[in-house]
Amino acid sequence: QSVLTQPPSVSAAPGQKVTISCSGSTSNIGNYYVSWYQQVPGAAPKLLIYENDKRPPGIPDRFSGSKSGTSATLGITGLQTGDEADYYCGAWDRSLSAEVFGSGTKVTVL
Amino acid sequence: QITLKESGPTLVNPTQTLTLTCTFSGFSLSTNPMGVGWIRQPPGKALEWLALIYWDDDKRYRPSLKSRLTITKDTPKNQVVLTMTNMDPVDTATYFCARRDGALLTYDSWGPGTPVTVSS
Repeated sequence: QSVLTQPPSVSAAPGQKVTISCSGSTSNIGNYYVSWYQQVPGAAPKLLIYENDKRPPGIPDRFSGSKSGTSATLGITGLQTGDEADYYCGAWDRSLSAEVFGSGTKVTVL
Repeated sequence: QITLKESGPTLVNPTQTLTLTCTFSGFSLSTNPMGVGWIRQPPGKALEWLALIYWDDDKRYRPSLKSRLTITKDTPKNQVVLTMTNMDPVDTATYFCARRDGALLTYDSWGPGTPVTVSS
């Protein structure tokens, strides 16, 4: 049972937009940066967003992140078939003194 | 270019100790605020954080596994080793190591992962 809560799945047609929510608490998201990771089946996770809303070099601006209070959101616009993957949020938790990840959200391009 | 790669046994007997090595390049674990963490993923399940070691030898562990885990670093060799005692079939998973940026609080580079099966 994950400390951070994500919807199991989201889907949309090519070119459309999806958003993925990540709900936590003051122990984690409320006081620490949120990161988002993309995991294509059979591959390692890849950093998409760090410090809530920043993109590493090479990540297209179709991917965006935001945070408000104890929740964070990942947005993907202009959906492509290559975006089909599992997406995880992550943050430090001060009560656990441990990193916590979300339960993961599967994105399907219809 | 930053690279990490995990190595270790693919099959472990129940009750045995698992030793995994993460060998990396492109950064040094003597540099503030770098760290290396271990994360695992059971088949079909979510990511599960295990342990983290920082440049200054600060170590953190998953609370529920703390008694079974040990993380160490060999800075000159650019390696981080994770040991997990008393392995159980529920520990079957793909184990990843990743670079931790302690300032940005994120895992910015990951190894490809190594599968570990616990079975007799």
